[in-house]
Amino acid sequence: EPEVTQTPSHQVTQMGQEVILRCVPISNHLYFYWYRQILGQKVEFLVSFYNNEISEKSEIFDDQFSVERPDGSNFTLKIRSTKLEDSAMYFCASSDAESNEQFFGPGTRLTVL
Amino acid sequence: QQQVKQSPQSLIVQKGGIPIINCAYENTAFDYFPWYQQFPGKGPALLIAIRPDVSEKKEGRFTISFNKSAKQFSLHIMDSQPGDSATYFCAASIENSGAGSYQLTFGKGTKLSVIP
Repeated sequence: EPEVTQTPSHQVTQMGQEVILRCVPISNHLYFYWYRQILGQKVEFLVSFYNNEISEKSEIFDDQFSVERPDGSNFTLKIRSTKLEDSAMYFCASSDAESNEQFFGPGTRLTVL
Repeated sequence: QQQVKQSPQSLIVQKGGIPIINCAYENTAFDYFPWYQQFPGKGPALLIAIRPDVSEKKEGRFTISFNKSAKQFSLHIMDSQPGDSATYFCAASIENSGAGSYQLTFGKGTKLSVIP
């Protein structure tokens, strides 16, 4: 069964450093998403991406964040200058053109020290 | 108005019991209501979903009841098993900007424990 994959599974970084989180969505999907989940809290929407551009973003997704689809398979989230409060699980999700069923990856745990 | 309120925060049932998790929303533009199951250290997995044109949907032991006038929906798990112990999230979405992407708004989650 096709699945969304994410790398790395755990990323530790120093405050102020740049990080790139990587995702490989399901191959025939066209809509891509990033969500985050601070420990013990609900999952929060960050950004959606379709046709090589951002279709919607939340207020969390400020100028420190950017997304890119550098090739036909990867979808990345970059945080330019990490803050302590960026520590969270980051989930990538994708959906196809026929439905809005979003399939989530296993997540990347980001720890900012 | 974009919030989805979920209750209870935690729930403990005996094996074979029927846990019920409730969610309420304000935004009448929401038109898709999925439930996700999440095990520790894993991503949310789509369990079952419903649209407002039906009042109930059943898939295996999982049933969603939907009350459009009350703006509420709930998840029932029949004959619950210890393997159902997980955190359950309700969510809601609305198509945005005509682009077809569906931003999910999640509830805060319910931690279910099924005791053998």
